[in-house]
Amino acid sequence: NAGVTQTPKFRVLKTGQSMTLLCAQDMNHEYMYWYRQDPGMGLRLIHYSVGEGTTAKGEVPDGYNVSRLKKQNFLLGLESAAPSQTSVYFCASSSQGNGYTFGSGTRLTVV
Amino acid sequence: QKEVEQDPGPLSVPEGAIVSLNCTYSNSAFQYFMWYRQYSRKGPELLMYTYSSGNKEDGRFTAQVDKSSKYISLFIRDSQPSDSATYLCAMRTSWGSQGNLIFGKGTKLSVKP
Repeated sequence: NAGVTQTPKFRVLKTGQSMTLLCAQDMNHEYMYWYRQDPGMGLRLIHYSVGEGTTAKGEVPDGYNVSRLKKQNFLLGLESAAPSQTSVYFCASSSQGNGYTFGSGTRLTVV
Repeated sequence: QKEVEQDPGPLSVPEGAIVSLNCTYSNSAFQYFMWYRQYSRKGPELLMYTYSSGNKEDGRFTAQVDKSSKYISLFIRDSQPSDSATYLCAMRTSWGSQGNLIFGKGTKLSVKP
């Protein structure tokens, strides 16, 4: 009964480094989302996917790329990390007609 | 004007109090309304889900939607220290690719023993 699993849980990056955050869901959900959560800013949608092989931009997509090669996985990439990308990143998934199921988050610090 | 407004608090109440959490919104097309609870250093979890106007009750929790006023509320009766968390309202116009959830910024609640 895993739900939505995010890896890694914590990461410290140096400015300019790249990394990929992995989100995996075992609920056969069509829709998947990447959010960032910052103090005073709430949850902001980065990118989302409405099905395998599809992606779309959310509210704050700059500096991030995503891929959904398999239905159960949604990857978030940072090509050249910046201190402004220090945040807590949440992945979520949903099926039509239901609310979102969130992962436990990835705490990313860019120094 | 943000689509969804939510007072960030913090809100501190004694154990056993009735808690009222609220959100206002500007988009009259919103039809689906949710409340999420987020414990510290955890992901949000769905607490209540209502469609259109009216009330929904689940144990100590009651969700109310007033579409005419563009106002939603979450009431917690007999509040417990375990209710201490950040509560986020969320809403959407429809399901599918055209309707992503719009979240409020969350209200931080602390229930003191």
